[in-house]
Amino acid sequence: AQRVTQPEKLLSVFKGAPVELKCNYSYSGSPELFWYVQYSRQRLQLLLRHISRESIKGFTADLNKGETSFHLKKPFAQEEDSAMYYCALRAYNYGQNFVFGPGTRLSVLP
Amino acid sequence: EPEVTQTPSHQVTQMGQEVILRCVPISNHLYFYWYRQILGQKVEFLVSFYNNEISEKSEIFDDQFSVERPDGSNFTLKIRSTKLEDSAMYFCASRGGLAGGTGEQFFGPGTRLTVL
Repeated sequence: AQRVTQPEKLLSVFKGAPVELKCNYSYSGSPELFWYVQYSRQRLQLLLRHISRESIKGFTADLNKGETSFHLKKPFAQEEDSAMYYCALRAYNYGQNFVFGPGTRLSVLP
Repeated sequence: EPEVTQTPSHQVTQMGQEVILRCVPISNHLYFYWYRQILGQKVEFLVSFYNNEISEKSEIFDDQFSVERPDGSNFTLKIRSTKLEDSAMYFCASRGGLAGGTGEQFFGPGTRLTVL
């Protein structure tokens, strides 16, 4: 079964501090993982995907198949990073829907 | 930049009534999805739609639910006889059709359904 876990419901850090949002998955095949972000009163939007190995808004995430993890990191958090973050696994079925984790609310304090 | 749109933004209905939630996906996209999020819970997959038919559906998507793409632009979710537990935020999403592709799904702003 495909499953995504995000152990922290809420993560509070001070501005300028490093942040790491944890994501673990269970999937028997070769996973495709994504991070989506939802700012207050806005829609879910793609932050980054593991396939492109990019850095968006200073965030990076590395797929670790040994630990089945895809943690999201940023070295210096900004107040505008406060949002809900969802880790998602692309299902390898015909529809290729997402399986979402429960989300972590990041609060960056001034 | 093109966006997925959804109407209405909020729908209030009585238990047992039928509701239709509407979505306009991005125009050249080929894959369409409905997800829902009950308050305080995670985003859950309901159904995917491709080539004018359902490609996958979850256990949540029972006989009370149906989807349709009536006119080549709208993508609708109908709940035939709403229950209290159908109260949730419903998200529509669409994806381009490149083989393999980036996998990115573009989400609408959601419709909040409240069943009284």
